[in-house]
Parts: sequence; C-alpha cells; structure tokens
Amino acid sequence: EPEVTQTPSHQVTQMGQEVILRCVPISNHLYFYWYRQILGQKVEFLVSFYNNEISEKSEIFDDQFSVERPDGSNFTLKIRSTKLEDSAMYFCASSTDRDYTEAFFGQGTRLTVV
Amino acid sequence: GQNIDQPTEMTATEGAIVQINCTYQTSGFNGLFWYQQHAGEAPTFLSYNVLDGLEEKGRFSSFLSRSKGYSYLLLKELQMKDSASYLCAVGDHSNYQLIWGAGTKLIIKP
Repeated sequence: EPEVTQTPSHQVTQMGQEVILRCVPISNHLYFYWYRQILGQKVEFLVSFYNNEISEKSEIFDDQFSVERPDGSNFTLKIRSTKLEDSAMYFCASSTDRDYTEAFFGQGTRLTVV
Repeated sequence: GQNIDQPTEMTATEGAIVQINCTYQTSGFNGLFWYQQHAGEAPTFLSYNVLDGLEEKGRFSSFLSRSKGYSYLLLKELQMKDSASYLCAVGDHSNYQLIWGAGTKLIIKP
C-alpha cells in the first residue's frame, strides 16, 4: 500500500539552528501539506504546495519557514532558526486533489528544540 | 470566525456503541472529516462528508447536518484497539485549509 514517508522520525536540535524535515509523498499525488501538532494540542495547518509553489499558508508559516520540492520526489520543510516553541510533531500529508477528499499522512517527525 | 468543538474525552465499554459529536463554524464549508489518531502516531483518515446524511463504512458511520453545523462519528462493536483520539476537521473553501478540532480521546474499557 502506498504511503507517505518522513525522515527523520526524531530530531533534536539546538535553539537557533536550522533543521530540514523530509517527506516523500505518494507518487501520484499532486498536493502536499505540512502540519504540526504541539504535544497535547490540536493539529495545525502550516502550508500547502501544488505545482511547485505554495498554494496556501497559515499565520504560523512565517519567514522562518520554507518548503521545497527539490527533485520531484522529496518535499522538505526548512526551519531557518529554530525556537523552543517549534518543538512539535511535524506531519507531512499528500492528496490527489485540493479538496482533501483523503489526505494521507506520514508518521511524523518529532522535533525537539533545546 | 472558525471554531470546532468536540468533547475532550469519552469512555465506553468493549462491544458497545459510542457517538462522538462535533459542532463547527466556518466561513466556507468544504466538507467534514474524521480522523483517528493513536498516541504518538499520525492521523489516519476515517470518513469524509460533504452532503447531509449518514455515511457508513463498516463499524464506523459519520453523519453531517450542514444547516446545524453538526456531525457525529458513530463507532459500533467497540474493540480495545479503538482507544484513540478522534479528530474532527473541517475543510474551509475560502482558503483550502483543514481546520482541526482538539480531538476526543476515547477510552475503551473491557
């Protein structure tokens, strides 16, 4: 069964450092998303990506964040200078269309900023 | 504004039936989703309703009333593995974002 894969599963980084979270969406999917979930809190939308550009982004997705699809298979989320409050589970998801009829989620990357 | 409400926690007995309610307010409704999330894992898709009525899928059913801004997820013949958080999420057509509820933690007791 096709699945979204994310690496690494866990990442610990020092405050102020840059991190790159990687995702390989399902191959025939066209829409890609990043979400985050701070421990014990609700899932929050960060950004959606289609046709090699950002289609929507939330208020959380400020200048510290960027996304890229460098090689046609990987989809990355970069946090330029991490803050303590960036500690969360980051989920990548992909879907065949824009209307979220079924978004498939990766298993997440647990980011801990110390 | 946008708001999704669901109970924080529910408890049910193995083999029984449980209904998890969700009410929402959104500016551009574009479907309502239910996801299951086990602790420390990713959400997994359960159901999607965009029209009023009941959608049945095995032991799980989901109901939507757009006029009331209301949905429920019905779980039948509960199994211990159904212990998880159930997340209600609403698609917002104005910005194509999924707005998530805080989730309902379902505890199944033998």
